[in-house]
Amino acid sequence: AQSVTQPDIHITVSEGASLELRCNYSYGATPYLFWYVQSPGQGLQLLLKYFSGDTLVQGIKGFEAEFKRSQSSFNLRKPSVHWSDAAEYFCAVGRTDRGSTLGRLYFGRGTQLTVWP
Amino acid sequence: DAGVIQSPRHEVTEMGQEVTLRCKPISGHDYLFWYRQTMMRGLELLIYFNNNVPIDDSGMPEDRFSAKMPNASFSTLKIQPSEPRDSAVYFCASRQGARGYTFGSGTRLTVV
Repeated sequence: AQSVTQPDIHITVSEGASLELRCNYSYGATPYLFWYVQSPGQGLQLLLKYFSGDTLVQGIKGFEAEFKRSQSSFNLRKPSVHWSDAAEYFCAVGRTDRGSTLGRLYFGRGTQLTVWP
Repeated sequence: DAGVIQSPRHEVTEMGQEVTLRCKPISGHDYLFWYRQTMMRGLELLIYFNNNVPIDDSGMPEDRFSAKMPNASFSTLKIQPSEPRDSAVYFCASRQGARGYTFGSGTRLTVV
């Protein structure tokens, strides 16, 4: 069965510090991987996605993520955090339907990021 | 592009009443998803459609929940009768091809 684990429920960093949010997945086939960000009272915004190719993926807002198949991980990173990055971050894995079509997403429980000034 | 549009943004209703949540996906998107978000259970997929046809409704919690997609530009999620434990934020999302999923802003439902 597919599952996504985000081990850290809450992370606090100082503004300007580097950030790494962890994500591990369980999926039998080639995964489609996503990171979303949710600000309070808002919907989920796509930060980046991995479908294939280069395992280091660049996203919006200066975020990047690296797919490591051997570790079943897709960790999100940012070299220097801004106060506006405070939000909840969700990792997700997409399951294929009928062999190849991307179907539903399975989400992790999220990591709440607090940024100290 | 206006994105995925959900209405209403907030809904407060009394237990036992019927609630209808609405979603307009992005034009051209052939997949539509309904998710529910709660503190206890996180983001749960309720149902999703492909080309207006329900593909997987295994996440619909009970017969009180129903969803329809009468055409490519509109979907509804109905709860009848509503119960306090249905209180949550309900998200609609759509997708086309290999692109990422686009989420609406959600409907915050409170059942008192």
